[in-house]
Amino acid sequence: ETGVTQTPRHLVMGMTNKKSLKCEQHLGHNAMYWYKQSAKKPLELMFVYNFKEQTENNSVPSRFSPECPNSSHLFLHLHTLQPEDSALYLCASSQVGIRTDNYGYTFGSGTRLTVV
Amino acid sequence: AQSVTQPDIHITVSEGASLELRCNYSYGATPYLFWYVQSPGQGLQLLLKYFSGDTLVQGIKGFEAEFKRSQSSFNLRKPSVHWSDAAEYFCAVVGGSNYKLTFGKGTLLTVNP
Repeated sequence: ETGVTQTPRHLVMGMTNKKSLKCEQHLGHNAMYWYKQSAKKPLELMFVYNFKEQTENNSVPSRFSPECPNSSHLFLHLHTLQPEDSALYLCASSQVGIRTDNYGYTFGSGTRLTVV
Repeated sequence: AQSVTQPDIHITVSEGASLELRCNYSYGATPYLFWYVQSPGQGLQLLLKYFSGDTLVQGIKGFEAEFKRSQSSFNLRKPSVHWSDAAEYFCAVVGGSNYKLTFGKGTLLTVNP
């Protein structure tokens, strides 16, 4: 148990489906992140939430819609995806605002998404 | 803005051999530096980190890394590699007031029996 839980672990969806990825952190952190990891490509930061507010959107297509209802939960709503969106989606959390020796990102195990 | 370079995309070593994975960073002040490991289909696990103090840091699974400011490097080492160390390794840096983690492109480690 890493402290960051992602569900589901695997998801297969058609291009016309709507689904959501869920991330929950039990670490008391105040920032959460979505990353996309495709085969043969580096980690791509998608969204950043600090204190439930979105502070960064790295030109992510609108078919990906994040939601952060509180500091412990983060969702990624998916609709009308394309096959090239198939990837491992990773959630992470951290505590920002104070530089301490405990600082760092904690990652979940990811959701393996396949778009057919 | 900070950046990280991992010059080696893929490294193959024999089990029991020593290992060094290279990482160079770019940041004007003292950065926070991290090494993460990712097994296939899994998330990223923190191996070790450097914030300040002793430039040689010890991590989990027998790994260590040395911060060298003069070379802007933070190389990861292990004296004797085990087959279970086969994975992808990511170096990362946090710099500035945004606390954002910037990753290198990763080094894939293959361990031969």
